[in-house]
Amino acid sequence: SQTIHQWPATLVQPVGSPLSLECTVEGTSNPNLYWYRQAAGRGLQLLFYSVGIGQISSEVPQNLSASRPQDRQFILSSKKLLLSDSGFYLCAWTSVDRTRNTIYFGEGSWLTVV
Amino acid sequence: AQTVTQSQPEMSVQEAETVTLSCTYDTSESDYYLFWYKQPPSRQMILVIRQEAYKQQNATENRFSVNFQKAAKSFSLKISDSQLGDAAMYFCAYRSGSVTGANSKLTFGKGITLSVRP
Repeated sequence: SQTIHQWPATLVQPVGSPLSLECTVEGTSNPNLYWYRQAAGRGLQLLFYSVGIGQISSEVPQNLSASRPQDRQFILSSKKLLLSDSGFYLCAWTSVDRTRNTIYFGEGSWLTVV
Repeated sequence: AQTVTQSQPEMSVQEAETVTLSCTYDTSESDYYLFWYKQPPSRQMILVIRQEAYKQQNATENRFSVNFQKAAKSFSLKISDSQLGDAAMYFCAYRSGSVTGANSKLTFGKGITLSVRP
C-alpha cells in the first residue's frame, strides 16, 4: 500500500534562517506531489505542485521554493524565513491513474517562525 | 477557475443526531471529482468521502453520505448518528477530471468546524 511521510513534524525557526521540509511517498511511482500551507484557522493554500522529477510549478509568489530531486521525494525550502511563513504545511500525493484520483496527505509539519 | 464555497464557519450537533454540512462549487467542467476531508485536532487531513461527477448515485461511507446536486452545483455531507470523534474541521474540495498539471490539484473551501455535544 502507498504511504506518505513528511518531516520534521514540528520546528521553531528564527527569522532569516533557512528551511527544509521533506516529504517522501512509498508504494507508488510517478506520483503528482503537492505542498499546501494552512495558516492558523484558515483553509488550505496550494503552494507548489510537481508532475515529475525536476518539474515544479508555483501557485503563488512567495519566499519559498520547492524541489523534486527524486521521483517520490518533494522538498520545500527557504533561504531566509519570514514571520509570515509560519503555519502548518502539508505534503500530498495522487496517482496519475484516473481510477485512483484521490489526493492523500502526509501528517503535516508545524512551522513557527520567531 | 473553480471555486468552492462553504458558507457556514461553524456547526454543532448533539451526539447520536444527524447533521448536514453544506458546500457549493462553481465550475464550467463536466468531468470532475468532489471530496470531503476531515481535519481533527491532530491536523492530519483524512478523506471522508468522494463523489465522481459522472455518477448520479450519491456516495456513502458508513455513517457518511453526500447529497450531490450537479445542476445546482451543491455537494453536502450528511453525518448520521454523530459521535464525539466526528468533532473536527471539515473541508469540501474539488478536483478536475483531468489528472495532468494544474488540473490535478485540489481546490478547497474554507472549512467548517463541527462540534459534537455529549
